[in-house]
Amino acid sequence: EAGVTQSPTHLIKTRGQQATLRCSPISGHTSVYWYQQALGLGLQFLLWYDEGEERNRGNFPPRFSGRQFPNYSSELNVNALELEDSALYLCASSLDRGRPGRTQYFGPGTRLTVL
Amino acid sequence: AQKITQTQPGMFVQEKEAVTLDCTYDTSDPSYGLFWYKQPSSGEMIFLIYQGSYDQQNATEGRYSLNFQKARKSANLVISASQLGDSAMYFCAMRVTSGGSYIPTFGRGTSLIVHP
Repeated sequence: EAGVTQSPTHLIKTRGQQATLRCSPISGHTSVYWYQQALGLGLQFLLWYDEGEERNRGNFPPRFSGRQFPNYSSELNVNALELEDSALYLCASSLDRGRPGRTQYFGPGTRLTVL
Repeated sequence: AQKITQTQPGMFVQEKEAVTLDCTYDTSDPSYGLFWYKQPSSGEMIFLIYQGSYDQQNATEGRYSLNFQKARKSANLVISASQLGDSAMYFCAMRVTSGGSYIPTFGRGTSLIVHP
């Protein structure tokens, strides 16, 4: 069974540009989560999508947005990039609606560098 | 608000010995799940073990066990017989369902280095 996949692996942008990151969940999983992991820090929750809808978001500005497609894959968009957006962006999927006990499985991440 | 605290930035252990990574949590919700993940230098988060708040017994998965002390709100990870491949960052995480909302919370992680 294929795991969570993310593309691209690396992304280099300049300040003010837009970045689009993509995630494909494990087959059958309906929930997708996005996290930001800045260097030396833990994971910060960004967004949670389930069944095509945004269910919750973390404490990030509106220029961080995304969507989930009918096949449950997801896209994270970061507009007006700032230097501090440089981080590893991790996507995770699970078969749940946020219930405790349902494990999230992570993809390999996209490393975004903003110059 | 939910919070996870990992007080050990770095830990060192000799190969084949056991090591305990500390995790304390804070939540007022009675229903929650606790997880441990391993993150090698490649960056991918690997699920290790899960403990539910209503589980009576400590979770075990191979060489990993979770020392769950509910009254103290601690969920320490014990790795027995450490291997060189265990060198990685380890994250404790909590999931709470509260009022229909849900935000997963991760600790800042502990870096484990296993010496030969």
